[in-house]
Amino acid sequence: AQSVTQPDIHITVSEGASLELRCNYSYGATPYLFWYVQSPGQGLQLLLKYFSGDTLVQGIKGFEAEFKRSQSSFNLRKPSVHWSDAAEYFCAVGAPAAGNKLTFGGGTRVLVKP
Amino acid sequence: DGGITQSPKYLFRKEGQNVTLSCEQNLNHDAMYWYRQDPGQGLRLIYYSQIVNDFQKGDIAEGYSVSREKKESFPLTVTSAQKNPTAFYLCASSMGGATAAFFGQGTRLTVV
Repeated sequence: AQSVTQPDIHITVSEGASLELRCNYSYGATPYLFWYVQSPGQGLQLLLKYFSGDTLVQGIKGFEAEFKRSQSSFNLRKPSVHWSDAAEYFCAVGAPAAGNKLTFGGGTRVLVKP
Repeated sequence: DGGITQSPKYLFRKEGQNVTLSCEQNLNHDAMYWYRQDPGQGLRLIYYSQIVNDFQKGDIAEGYSVSREKKESFPLTVTSAQKNPTAFYLCASSMGGATAAFFGQGTRLTVV
């Protein structure tokens, strides 16, 4: 069975500073990997996805993530954070052989200081 | 505009009552999913369906039931057997295969 770990529950970053959110996964085959963002009381919005090919993927809102098979990681990065990036971020792994159901990490809440 | 609609946004029920959460999509997606979200626990899969008239249990299906009579609709019933039903419920859909899932805005269920 697949699993996802997001080691950081909360991260506080200053506006304009860089941001990196960690994600480690466990899956027996080549994974489908996703990052979603959630504002309070809202649904999840897809930031980016990795299925195959280039291990550095670009997403919306200036985010990027890098797939590292050797480390079983899919960390999310943004070079310069804006106040509007304050939200909760979820990493997820998809199981292609099982209806592509997603397994989510526990989430990382990002706070942005002015 | 295409999307996923969950209704209602807020729902209150008395303990011991069954309640049905609505999820409709007009994206022509084959697969649909129900997740439950609790603070600090991320999202957990309740049920999913890859095709009409077929569905599978997820990780926490006990106390829940679903139906998939139409491609567009995947309602979730929270039964009185669910011991701790108060939560935020999210519905999602995808084309299946190597595609991303898209989420509705959620329904917050409070059982008193």
